[in-house]
Amino acid sequence: NAGVTQTPKFRVLKTGQSMTLLCAQDMNHEYMYWYRQDPGMGLRLIHYSVGEGTTAKGEVPDGYNVSRLKKQNFLLGLESAAPSQTSVYFCASSYWGGEGNQPQHFGDGTRLSIL
Amino acid sequence: EDKVVQSPLSLVVHEGDTVTLNCSYEVTNFRSLLWYKQEKKAPTFLFMLTSSGIEKKSGRLSSILDKKELFSILNITATQTGDSAVYLCAVEAAGNKLTFGGGTRVLVKP
Repeated sequence: NAGVTQTPKFRVLKTGQSMTLLCAQDMNHEYMYWYRQDPGMGLRLIHYSVGEGTTAKGEVPDGYNVSRLKKQNFLLGLESAAPSQTSVYFCASSYWGGEGNQPQHFGDGTRLSIL
Repeated sequence: EDKVVQSPLSLVVHEGDTVTLNCSYEVTNFRSLLWYKQEKKAPTFLFMLTSSGIEKKSGRLSSILDKKELFSILNITATQTGDSAVYLCAVEAAGNKLTFGGGTRVLVKP
């Protein structure tokens, strides 16, 4: 099992360019999440999904869009990249264990720089 | 707005020392509190706490939750250089969302 896989691992963009970050999980988890991590600020939730075909906004959704067309994949899109979106992006997944949500499993992150 | 605050921001100890990390929170519809360890890449899960006063242990690490005073502590005894990492506290509220604190960076010197 690979767990949660993020691609790409690194990317440099110019301001105004667009790109899509891919997250894939092979654990059959219902819930998937996208976070960004900036120095000294912990992780902040961008968007999340509670199942195939559903998405919802998190704490910092502006400038990002997401799609969950297949249960195992969760895509994060930047339509027009800005320097403020320079960050490390983490994807995570989890499932409902009957009595509560189980701990989220994280991917290794994508380091994104916007020049 | 949900809020999680960790202290201290960072600390440096020597091998064999004991470390205590703090996490306080203010959230609506609390479900659980989680601790993660982050070295160079992905945060890795340590503990999930849902009930007050019940200590969870894993080797040299232990954690406890106080739902009345709204805080949790993570203890690491007999620290080793491999314990050097950023420790993240997160609280899950209704809606399956986590709110993270800013983390505590721990450096264990030989």
